[in-house]
Amino acid sequence: AQKITQTQPGMFVQEKEAVTLDCTYDTSDPSYGLFWYKQPSSGEMIFLIYQGSYDQQNATEGRYSLNFQKARKSANLVISASQLGDSAMYFCAMREGGDTGRRALTFGSGTRLQVQP
Amino acid sequence: DGGITQSPKYLFRKEGQNVTLSCEQNLNHDAMYWYRQDPGQGLRLIYYSQIVNDFQKGDIAEGYSVSREKKESFPLTVTSAQKNPTAFYLCASCLGGYNEQFFGPGTRLTVL
Repeated sequence: AQKITQTQPGMFVQEKEAVTLDCTYDTSDPSYGLFWYKQPSSGEMIFLIYQGSYDQQNATEGRYSLNFQKARKSANLVISASQLGDSAMYFCAMREGGDTGRRALTFGSGTRLQVQP
Repeated sequence: DGGITQSPKYLFRKEGQNVTLSCEQNLNHDAMYWYRQDPGQGLRLIYYSQIVNDFQKGDIAEGYSVSREKKESFPLTVTSAQKNPTAFYLCASCLGGYNEQFFGPGTRLTVL
């Protein structure tokens, strides 16, 4: 079974509007972390935001926020006030197992976001 | 500046040849990882190492080998046993716990 599911292969958004990128996850581990990364066409992976499974509040980092719904096992990324430079691939990822786990990330298949002027 | 370097950026290989991809970090991170990315897909874990002289297979380790003789270095060898090695390879490191993983710029390997 897929551990991380991103159901939107591609998304379009107008500049200055907000956009939500969907991510659902599957784990039986009570301790896990959820990450979002941005990958521009250059290929580098840029960390955006992190949410821990025990965090009570949704994570925010500037224009990025994570809509964490634990019961639904979803961790959607919200980008406010989109900019042309936001056009990229976006990956949701999960780390399971706490400090004794392998600490590697399991990635979804990604969503390509295109911001239109 | 601290960071992760990968070399070369582009690598071409003939079928049947082994090649080694370099990954170096000066972040003093304990854990290092190798991921593979195929076009239009997410990253998949090849190997990881949480401490010097120790490493573990990831989800797609067949046809690859690694070493971790120094904390700063985690080279990946793509052997001739890897059936379809053409891909983008990313190295990452992590301080510990649930800290973010820092990624290198990647190596794009093409088998001719």
